[in-house]
Amino acid sequence: EIVLTQSPATLSLSPGERATLSCRASQSVNTYLAWYQKKPGQAPRLVIYDASNRATGIPARFSGSGSGTDFTLTISSPEPEDFAVYYCQQRSNWPLTFGGGTKVEIK
Amino acid sequence: EVQLVESGGGLVKPGGSLRLSCAASGFTFSNVWMNWVRQAPGKGLECVGRIKTKTDGGTTDYAAPVKDRFTVSRDDSRNTFYLQMSSLKTEDTAVYYCTTDFHRGYFGSWGQGSLVTVSS
Repeated sequence: EIVLTQSPATLSLSPGERATLSCRASQSVNTYLAWYQKKPGQAPRLVIYDASNRATGIPARFSGSGSGTDFTLTISSPEPEDFAVYYCQQRSNWPLTFGGGTKVEIK
Repeated sequence: EVQLVESGGGLVKPGGSLRLSCAASGFTFSNVWMNWVRQAPGKGLECVGRIKTKTDGGTTDYAAPVKDRFTVSRDDSRNTFYLQMSSLKTEDTAVYYCTTDFHRGYFGSWGQGSLVTVSS
């Protein structure tokens, strides 16, 4: 099973301050990595797929990069609605696995 | 618009059984792989099972913690996806989400979730 490790666990930011989230895989997943946004009481939402492609309706302030084992999600200037928990997920191998999440909170 | 509506959640005793249903609309259900993803209280996300389309063999895959206890199935004539859970354990307590597949392994659209509580 591919283990995904996300860091930091919590990121405290002021609105507008750049957010950089990290996801590291225990073995190469090529670029088969996605990012999801999860807010309390809501279903997760796909943000980025295949490491760097924005999903439909996702604003351009979200970007993804990386390949192999190291990936980054960047929110260039977070809006109030972007404060949430973000999970990475790999589709390289079954079982499909998620990272433990990074909570992006308002400082 | 894609809609996924789960039903069937509730309180069940350890060792018991429960079946979740997911009614799908807004897309050609028979052409889409489907998944169940859960989130235990205060925990992260876990994909517990998926089923491919009949065109792709209709095969199923399960996560290790639920293998041999959970069964996913689909009824393309009813546009409905199922999760049959048996020998339930307290650690199966979670919100269960029905999701569509996206690009053969991501989770595109999600239902609102169905809470399953396993407790005596």
